Amino acid sequence: SAVISQKPSRDICQRGTSLTIQCQVDSQVTMMFWYRQQPGQSLTLIATANQGSEATYESGFVIDKFPISRPNLTFSTLTVSNMSPEDSSIYLCSVGGVRPNEQFFGPGTRLTVL
Amino acid sequence: GQNIDQPTEMTATEGAIVQINCTYQTSGFNGLFWYQQHAGEAPTFLSYNVLDGLEEKGRFSSFLSRSKGYSYLLLKELQMKDSASYLCAVRLHILTGGGNKLTFGTGTQLKVEL
Repeated sequence: SAVISQKPSRDICQRGTSLTIQCQVDSQVTMMFWYRQQPGQSLTLIATANQGSEATYESGFVIDKFPISRPNLTFSTLTVSNMSPEDSSIYLCSVGGVRPNEQFFGPGTRLTVL
Repeated sequence: GQNIDQPTEMTATEGAIVQINCTYQTSGFNGLFWYQQHAGEAPTFLSYNVLDGLEEKGRFSSFLSRSKGYSYLLLKELQMKDSASYLCAVRLHILTGGGNKLTFGTGTQLKVEL
């Protein structure tokens, strides 16, 4: 299975600021995704991070609020911009493996916005 | 759109068997995943079904009926450490725009008691 690390593991931020979350995978992967899990909720897909092109965003999520970079096949960043308390959530990076039954999650970044 | 339903909570006794159901309505179905998530941790992969039938893996089994849009996760010989949230997730086919992304149900919080 792929080993996925995320930085930071947690952060407390002030309203109006931005935070960039990094996702590093120990092997090259084609598919990388960013999910959000709000307190007590299930996971919601924010976007698919595409290598060499703009990310594909899900309904309700926009590039200005959640810019994503994917410079290569092992790394991606998600920025949460102009944060508000409603952005307090766990942000998870996920990758697809070689086999169709493989979909792994990073440890998550716990964000609290004051 | 997609709709994935799971019970919100379930309680079971240590040593017993519990079945967690998941129903879904999607287009372009390309597999169903079950994940386990302990509080404060990332989801961990439990099972994957893409064809009808039962997949058994130790104490955990998962069943899929594509014609009925129905799956269940069966946990045998329950242990206290099985207390967690269990997430059902459906993957859409890339040919119908799914792009390998997962759509999650709301999750079932399982509590195992003595």
